[in-house]
Amino acid sequence: DADVTQTPRNRITKTGKRIMLECSQTKGHDRMYWYRQDPGLGLRLIYYSFDVKDINKGEISDGYSVSRQAQAKFSLSLESAIPNQTALYFCATSISGSPTQYFGPGTRLTVL
Amino acid sequence: SQQGEEDPQALSIQEGENATMNCSYKTSINNLQWYRQNSGRGLVHLILIRSNEREKHSGRLRVTLDTSKKSSSLLITASRAADTASYFCATALDGDDYKLSFGAGTTVTVRA
Repeated sequence: DADVTQTPRNRITKTGKRIMLECSQTKGHDRMYWYRQDPGLGLRLIYYSFDVKDINKGEISDGYSVSRQAQAKFSLSLESAIPNQTALYFCATSISGSPTQYFGPGTRLTVL
Repeated sequence: SQQGEEDPQALSIQEGENATMNCSYKTSINNLQWYRQNSGRGLVHLILIRSNEREKHSGRLRVTLDTSKKSSSLLITASRAADTASYFCATALDGDDYKLSFGAGTTVTVRA
């Protein structure tokens, strides 16, 4: 969905490097989320933000940090990447009052 | 931990046949959602059913919800090649409708 964009789409990096994944949305939604998906598994929530000043940890926040730079932008950082952070990362948005989420196309991250 | 689990893990059907997949969840819910993911891409919302609804239709999709059994089913009628995808049910994480917990999904392959 072009309304939610993620950059980069693919990234290969080395253990110990700092990585930032970016998400932008033009849907005007106030809520944004970061998930990771591992092969054969469902999505797991890393962090979420209900507005610019609200940041919350999800199920698996260790090793990750986030920044909500504006209502439309939510970035995910891996401070020191490790191989088990190799996964597909998705950003999603929703509007307050609705549980339906809208997903970006994903970033495939490989940590060597 | 995951709230929902889909069954079967994988399903292969002939074009034109119906596909049925099930979702079981652990705790009481206000609503349940189904999402579709085409290979390696972002999830797309299909349908939301509320806890006071027993059945809901959207085009060729039919969703049922049995809160007494904590289960839901998704039926795709007259399947097409384009229905080849993974299907996920999503329920509230930690009792919060605006944080989602996804199952591992059912992978559906529609053969021509």
